[in-house]
Amino acid sequence: NAGVTQTPKFQVLKTGQSMTLQCAQDMNHEYMSWYRQDPGMGLRLIHYSVGAGITDQGEVPNGYNVSRSTTEDFPLRLLSAAPSQTSVYFCASSRQGATEAFFGQGTRLTVV
Amino acid sequence: GQQVMQIPQYQHVQEGEDFTTYCNSSTTLSNIQWYKQRPGGHPVFLIQLVKSGEVKKQKRLTFQFGEAKKNSSLHITATQTTDVGTYFCAGKPSNTGKLIFGQGTTLQVKP
Repeated sequence: NAGVTQTPKFQVLKTGQSMTLQCAQDMNHEYMSWYRQDPGMGLRLIHYSVGAGITDQGEVPNGYNVSRSTTEDFPLRLLSAAPSQTSVYFCASSRQGATEAFFGQGTRLTVV
Repeated sequence: GQQVMQIPQYQHVQEGEDFTTYCNSSTTLSNIQWYKQRPGGHPVFLIQLVKSGEVKKQKRLTFQFGEAKKNSSLHITATQTTDVGTYFCAGKPSNTGKLIFGQGTTLQVKP
């Protein structure tokens, strides 16, 4: 069982570059979310999706785009990377309703 | 801003001492979940509380959900070095699909 798979694990970008963080889950979960983790800030919700074709903003959505064309995939796009986006990014999925979230291994992103 | 607040941010204890972290929400939560993240790892689900006033135990860990469904606590009895990590609470505000995390409490245990 792969669970939630995130790629890449590490990435260094230059300011202004764009990139896509990939997230895929094989558990047929309806809910998928992206979080960023910064020291002292916990996990902050960027965007989330309650099903294919449906996305919504979280607490810190600016500078990020998402789409959910399939149940399995939920990519996160950085349109023009900024040093403030240096962080560890986690993707999570869960079944609909009040159930546990399963997290990917994380992507450590550095923007220079 | 952050809707779920967690304190303390850090806690250092001697092995064998007890540990408690507290979680408070500005809004009523439909449920509260607790996760543990080991250093360098990803958050892993521990437990979920749904009912007002609910108390659940997992070995040395005791979880409580407040009567108003706005606060929660995690208590660890007689900490061990394997308890080291960051403990997060997370809640779903009623009528939303969002899962909002607290800032986390990082526990260090001295052997």
